[in-house]
Amino acid sequence: AQKITQTQPGMFVQEKEAVTLDCTYDTSDPSYGLFWYKQPSSGEMIFLIYQGSYDQQNATEGRYSLNFQKARKSANLVISASQLGDSAMYFCAMREVGGRRALTFGSGTRLQVQP
Amino acid sequence: DSGVTQTPKHLITATGQRVTLRCSPRSGDLSVYWYQQSLDQGLQFLIQYYNGEERAKGNILERFSAQQFPDLHSELNLSSLELGDSALYFCASSVGSNSYNEQFFGPGTRLTVL
Repeated sequence: AQKITQTQPGMFVQEKEAVTLDCTYDTSDPSYGLFWYKQPSSGEMIFLIYQGSYDQQNATEGRYSLNFQKARKSANLVISASQLGDSAMYFCAMREVGGRRALTFGSGTRLQVQP
Repeated sequence: DSGVTQTPKHLITATGQRVTLRCSPRSGDLSVYWYQQSLDQGLQFLIQYYNGEERAKGNILERFSAQQFPDLHSELNLSSLELGDSALYFCASSVGSNSYNEQFFGPGTRLTVL
């Protein structure tokens, strides 16, 4: 069974600083995908970044990067130069190739960016 | 805007009632997923359809059912509603059903059962 763990229920960061949101996962499937989503207070789920288990390089999308450490089974999200609009819930999620292909989500981290 | 539409945005109903939530996937996407987000259970996968056929089931109650129509829109039917069914229901779509296909979420339907 797969499992996603986000150990930080809440995080604070100063505007313009970088912040790392932690995510560890557990799966026996050698092929899987890791995703990060942002959920602002308005409720919608916004796709941020994707990392495949066989990708050699860490994924980057603008100010978002994914620090993928396969041996440690971690997929931390790094947000550089935080902005006030980054304040939101952030969810880490995984999909396996071999099994059910829906997303399994972590419990989320609430990020608050302070001016 | 993800391109996934969901209606209605809000729904308030009473226990024992039945409701239907509707989802239109992004143009070209064949897979539709339904998720439930509640305070106590977090985000949970309910069911997936791919090109009209049920592909996978998650933690979906027997009181709940879904279908995907030939035009690829999907409906989630919730019956004999209970207070605990109050949640945000998301529909997501992806072009395929592989692990690398990112899922794009609709804005959600917030269901309140009184």
